[in-house]
Amino acid sequence: RKEVEQDPGPFNVPEGATVAFNCTYSNSASQSFFWYRQDCRKEPKLLMSVYSSGNEDGRFTAQLNRASQYISLLIRDSKLSDSATYLCVVGGATNKLIFGTGTLLAVQP
Amino acid sequence: GAGVSQTPSNKVTEKGKYVELRCDPISGHTALYWYRQSLGQGPEFLIYFQGTGAADDSGLPNDRFFAVRPEGSVSTLKIQRTERGDSAVYLCASSLGANQPQHFGDGTRLSIL
Repeated sequence: RKEVEQDPGPFNVPEGATVAFNCTYSNSASQSFFWYRQDCRKEPKLLMSVYSSGNEDGRFTAQLNRASQYISLLIRDSKLSDSATYLCVVGGATNKLIFGTGTLLAVQP
Repeated sequence: GAGVSQTPSNKVTEKGKYVELRCDPISGHTALYWYRQSLGQGPEFLIYFQGTGAADDSGLPNDRFFAVRPEGSVSTLKIQRTERGDSAVYLCASSLGANQPQHFGDGTRLSIL
């Protein structure tokens, strides 16, 4: 079993749609949680950190459920520019980040 | 300000050769990380430096891989006797400190023929 599991997609959605990505992690000792965005042939870029209380940044909302070891990302009012791969990322005690394989989002006009 | 800088951006070499990949972190970032990413996969952790020392090298796949950060800033990832399976994008990241968000460079695309 992979340490961080995500549905690879692709998710094909129309502009303006709301889309949700889910992720599970296996190590209950994980200490930090992030969503990164990666465009084709580009480096991963931090989208947002994820906290147990849930956090929102504009159209993006992230949630963490430690009991279920589950992380989610909600994107409202999708834009064409949101098309990318979204990486669920978990950090452990030694600082290394464990990445999921990513979920590909394609927003259609 | 300047982000993480990696050189070269692309490297093509023959199987069996030695390669060095360089990473220049964001100024003031004490933590530096190396990852590699194969097609269709997320980045895979290789090694983490806190200052000059390797705090965690558990991701290095075998003893052909080695990394240094002698002055606590620039780091070099060294791969000996390269194999075709080493072909990947090698990503470097840096952060202000422990458990801080990591910022990635553009990566070095390594191709072993």
